[in-house]
Amino acid sequence: QSVLTQPPSVSAAPGHKVTISCSGSSSNTGNNYGNSFVSWYQQFPGTAPKLLIYDNDKRPSGIPDRFSGSKSGTSATLGITGLQTGDEADYYCGTWDSSLSVVVFGGGTKLTVL
Amino acid sequence: QVQLVESGGGVVQPGRSLRLSCRGSGFIFSSYAMDWVRQAPGKGLEWVALISYDGTKEYYADSVKGRFTISRDDSKNTLYLQMNSLRADDTAVYYCARDLVAGPYDYWGQGTLVTVSS
Repeated sequence: QSVLTQPPSVSAAPGHKVTISCSGSSSNTGNNYGNSFVSWYQQFPGTAPKLLIYDNDKRPSGIPDRFSGSKSGTSATLGITGLQTGDEADYYCGTWDSSLSVVVFGGGTKLTVL
Repeated sequence: QVQLVESGGGVVQPGRSLRLSCRGSGFIFSSYAMDWVRQAPGKGLEWVALISYDGTKEYYADSVKGRFTISRDDSKNTLYLQMNSLRADDTAVYYCARDLVAGPYDYWGQGTLVTVSS
């Protein structure tokens, strides 16, 4: 059972938009202080995760602006527009839990582009 | 360019020990906190441990606390994970990751597989 809750799967057609939610609590996703900003990672089978979003809504260099992040209350959201078949992957959210003093991840969401 | 290369994985019997290494290059290793994250076969990401940039602070997941020890040797640009009393549920691909501030992780190694089995 993951501390952060994500939907197991989402799907959408090519060219469309999809959102993936990440729900936590006041000590992790709902904490606006310290290190509890949400990050998002993309992982293809057999490869290491890749950072997509950090500090809730910032994109590292090289990540297209089709990927966006937001946070409201105790939930964070990853948005992907202009879906491509190459976006089919697993997506994870993660953050620091200030009460537990641990890093926590969501259980992951498998994106299917139909 | 930034690179992280893990080594030390393999097959080990339950109750035995194993030490993983992660060598960093292309950045000032001593300036960054470093973490270990693992992924059991077919499962999601599980954070394992974090060590601060100066090695003075360590944090562990409850599942490994008291059995695993994270350490670093900045003279060798290397991160370690000493794993003792291994159990079957420690079987996973272990990744090292460069930590910006208690996550996010901007660079990851390729992973090393640890299989605990008799």
